[in-house]
Amino acid sequence: DGGITQSPKYLFRKEGQNVTLSCEQNLNHDAMYWYRQDPGQGLRLIYYSQIVNDFQKGDIAEGYSVSREKKESFPLTVTSAQKNPTAFYLCASSNDRVTGTEAFFGQGTRLTVV
Amino acid sequence: QQQVKQSPQSLIVQKGGISIINCAYENTAFDYFPWYQQFPGKGPALLIAIRPDVSEKKEGRFTISFNKSAKQFSLHIMDSQPGDSATYFCAARVSGGGADGLTFGKGTHLIIQP
Repeated sequence: DGGITQSPKYLFRKEGQNVTLSCEQNLNHDAMYWYRQDPGQGLRLIYYSQIVNDFQKGDIAEGYSVSREKKESFPLTVTSAQKNPTAFYLCASSNDRVTGTEAFFGQGTRLTVV
Repeated sequence: QQQVKQSPQSLIVQKGGISIINCAYENTAFDYFPWYQQFPGKGPALLIAIRPDVSEKKEGRFTISFNKSAKQFSLHIMDSQPGDSATYFCAARVSGGGADGLTFGKGTHLIIQP
């Protein structure tokens, strides 16, 4: 049963803490993405990775970091430098080598600063 | 700069009616235009997608109309049902490798009244 698994579903962060969101896929996709979703803002790209050990900043990368040590995994760390981290975070993957293929999304992680 | 503009922000349609959501894009390099459906607390799921070499694509009650010269595309939901109540996102991308992910519209919150 292929898909994308995000964990945890809910995450609470204290001021000044770093937290890491997990994203794992078993679709054998090369490309993986992290999006942030805020009410009325749509989905905004944080980071993306086309291949292992390589990743690129998206539109709103400040205060976030990622790694891509394995094809299946693309964790996102929300650092203390991110001033407004409360949001719904979505991970996605796609096979960019095939034109016009869809991106598959995980079920999201809702991060709240307490 | 918002590359994909979506309207309306919210829409209320009576059961059995036609729901219409519109999107306009600026980047002429976009060559893949998907629509995603998202239920509360869930990740977006692909609903239907179109390439610019066709003007219309229909899948069941869902139809995409595409106007390349006007750089516009729209989603029509025929015989709208309460189960269609969700947030809909249009998106666009340059596919075929080296892509930096989907560019999303800001979403349309659709409510189908029974």
